[in-house]
This record gives sequence, structure tokens and C-alpha cells, in this order.
Amino acid sequence: GAVVSQHPSWVICKSGTSVKIECRSLDFQATTMFWYRQFPKQSLMLMATSNEGSKATYEQGVEKDKFLINHASLTLSTLTVTSAHPEDSSFYICSASRSGNGEQYFGPGTRLTVT
Amino acid sequence: RKEVEQDPGPFNVPEGATVAFNCTYSNSASQSFFWYRQDCRKEPKLLMSVYSSGNEDGRFTAQLNRASQYISLLIRDSKLSDSATYLCVVRRGGSYIPTFGRGTSLIVHP
Repeated sequence: GAVVSQHPSWVICKSGTSVKIECRSLDFQATTMFWYRQFPKQSLMLMATSNEGSKATYEQGVEKDKFLINHASLTLSTLTVTSAHPEDSSFYICSASRSGNGEQYFGPGTRLTVT
Repeated sequence: RKEVEQDPGPFNVPEGATVAFNCTYSNSASQSFFWYRQDCRKEPKLLMSVYSSGNEDGRFTAQLNRASQYISLLIRDSKLSDSATYLCVVRRGGSYIPTFGRGTSLIVHP
């Protein structure tokens, strides 16, 4: 159990366009989902935390108007990178948490390249 | 001081060796502790939760020392496939937001 999927697994887009990444918990209901970004050889950086049905909580320095997060159901959260720039190129990973136990289950990640 | 600190390594050990990593945390209100493993260009995968009484899963043993505010991971009889980055994760009581360490790189060589 505890499988999280992410789609797409990789995407190449042009500067100025928007990209939507989906994160789904396949076999459990996720009360909380997290979005991370990871640059090469660096640690995971938490971007935002989202709870189903409420607005996401963004970490300091993360622009909420640029990284739109929607957590419409207990099994789906989406991250939209708007007006993408080359510096947004990164590995974006979501994770989902069941209530209570604190364990997180990660999606396989989405590699975004902005040209 | 960072909330969660790990020695980035790399720890370079031969097959069969025993290796241990520590992870220190600064917030005494921390309640939940985990070790994750991340392979290159892949997502982190939960290795084990860390309980107050310590826990063991095969070759892996995790311990928690609340007095000194650190957790440890011991790997016995290292395999080549253990080569990865090991991430320490700490969650404060009453918070669902985890804090990740930057990871410790382990390289097991023949």
C-alpha cells in the first residue's frame, strides 16, 4: 500500500508557458500533500503544504502566484508552474501523508526543463 | 543552527562493513523521526520510522537519543545496493510539516 503517482514524469516546455503536475495517492486518502523541489546534488526543499479543501501554505521565498497548488480531493493535488523560466528547471516531487502516523510517501518526481 | 543536521559524507565503505550515521535535531519538541533513502535522480523512499525504544529491520537498526537530540542509523553487512543518500526526517509534535536533513551519502564499494 501507500503508492503515490506523479504525472508527467518529465516535461520540457518553453519559457513563458505553464506546466501542470499532478500528484495522486492511489490506495489511500491523503489528508496532507507536500510539494518539494530538488536541484542537482542538493537537498529537498519544501515548497508548500496542502490540505484537502483549503489553501496551500507556502514556505518563505516561494511565490504562491507562480506555483499554484490545488488540493481538490483527498487523492489529488496539482502544482502549476506559471510563466515558467529556465531557472524553474528542477526535479519536483510530491509526497502524501496519511493522517496520524507522520510517514510520507513520495511520488516518483517530475523532471521539468524550461528552454 | 539548522533544525536537522547530517554529515553529508560521502561515507566510502567496503562491502560487508558496518556503517553508522547520526542526525542531530535542534527542536526538543520533535516527536516523529524517520530515515529515508534516496537514490540518484529518484524520489526518497521510507526506510524506517524511528521509535523511542529503537527498532531493527534486517540489517538496519535505528535509534533515538532524546537527551542528546539525535537519531542514528546503523547498517550491518553493507551491500553494493545500499549505496544511496540517507535522509533524516524530523517532525515536530503538533505539526504535520516534516523537516529534512540534507542527507548523508553512502558509497559501498567491492
